[in-house]
This record gives sequence, structure tokens and C-alpha cells, in this order.
Amino acid sequence: DVKVTQSSRYLVKRTGEKVFLECVQDMDHENMFWYRQDPGLGLRLIYFSYDVKMKEKGDIPEGYSVSREKKERFSLILESASTNQTSMYLCASREGGNYGYTFGSGTRLTVV
Amino acid sequence: AQSVAQPEDQVNVAEGNPLTVKCTYSVSGNPYLFWYVQYPNRGLQFLLKYITGDNLVKGSYGFEAEFNKSQTSFHLKKPSALVSDSALYFCAVRDNSGYSTLTFGKGTMLLVSP
Repeated sequence: DVKVTQSSRYLVKRTGEKVFLECVQDMDHENMFWYRQDPGLGLRLIYFSYDVKMKEKGDIPEGYSVSREKKERFSLILESASTNQTSMYLCASREGGNYGYTFGSGTRLTVV
Repeated sequence: AQSVAQPEDQVNVAEGNPLTVKCTYSVSGNPYLFWYVQYPNRGLQFLLKYITGDNLVKGSYGFEAEFNKSQTSFHLKKPSALVSDSALYFCAVRDNSGYSTLTFGKGTMLLVSP
């Protein structure tokens, strides 16, 4: 089975901190994604990457950046954390365009 | 742009009864449709997908979904609900332009009572 691992299940950070959320997949998937999940809003796409060192903005990229230096790892960076970035963050990977996603377990981030 | 609507925030059903979770979509071109389930404090798990072929798609845990092109719907169904089916369910449609990302609905909470 494909495994997508997010390094932290729960994270508490202070306003203004730089925050790194890490995601690793073990099946050589080309595509990786970061979504945030908020009650009543569903999942919203932040950034995605279709290849190493390639990245594309999703629907809500403001306040975030990403890094993909190796195929298996896709990092989400909050440049200066704010309280409105308190959310559940979900990483996913995919073999190709005809396939569904495999999700990690999520990181619940609280910014205080 | 593509979109997904899940008109019910919550669906309540008694154990043993059939269940339906509704989804309608909008997309240009042929629809690629997915259902995912999320248990508390977990990531999403794939249930089933429709790409082409039979309008009735069978998936994991006894779930199935009915694709209806004229009604642009992809409703999730199960003949006999279990208490353990209680979870949050998401419908998604693939973007047919660009990078084929998935657009998700807002989710429907399914509560199965004993």
C-alpha cells in the first residue's frame, strides 16, 4: 500500500513563526498536493507539485509556500503564521491524472 | 471551472436501513468522479471512482455509487448501513484542464444510529 506520512499530527505555533509541515510518500508518485480542511468549507487546494522542483498555486496560496527538492518529499511552509491559518492540513500524492489521491493522516495546526 | 455540491450537511439513518449521500457536479468534458471517507482525526480514504463504463460503481466497505449523466449526479449508496459507517464523506471531481487536480465538496456527515 502507498503510504503518505505527515511528520506531525498536532502542532501549536505562535503568531509570526515560520512553520514547516513535512510530507513524505513512498511510492514514487509524480504528483503531490497540500490541502487545508476547515468545517463547512471542505478541502481547499493550497499548492501542488507535478514533478521535482516544480510547483503550482492552488486556490488559496496566499501566506504559504512549498518546496519539493526530492520526489518523495513535499513541504508546506507558512512564512509568518497567523491565527487564520489554524486548520487541518492534508497532504496527498497521486500516480497520475487518472488516479485518485492517497492522503496522509493530516496535521492539525493551531496558531496562537 | 469545475465544482461539486453536497446538498446535505448531515444524513441520519438507522442501522440496517439503506443510505444515500448526495452529490452533484459541474465539469467540462467527461467527468472523473470520486468518493472519499474521513474518520475522526484521520486523513481521507478512497472509497470508489467513476471514470467510464457502468453507471453503477462498486467500492470499498460495501459502498456503491450511481452515476447519472443527465442529472449530473454521483450519489453514494449502501443497501444496509452499519454504525461503523458513521463518518464524513466527500465527493470530488477531477479538473479536465490543466493539471487534473481534484475539487472536493464540503462534505456530508453520516450518522448511523443503533
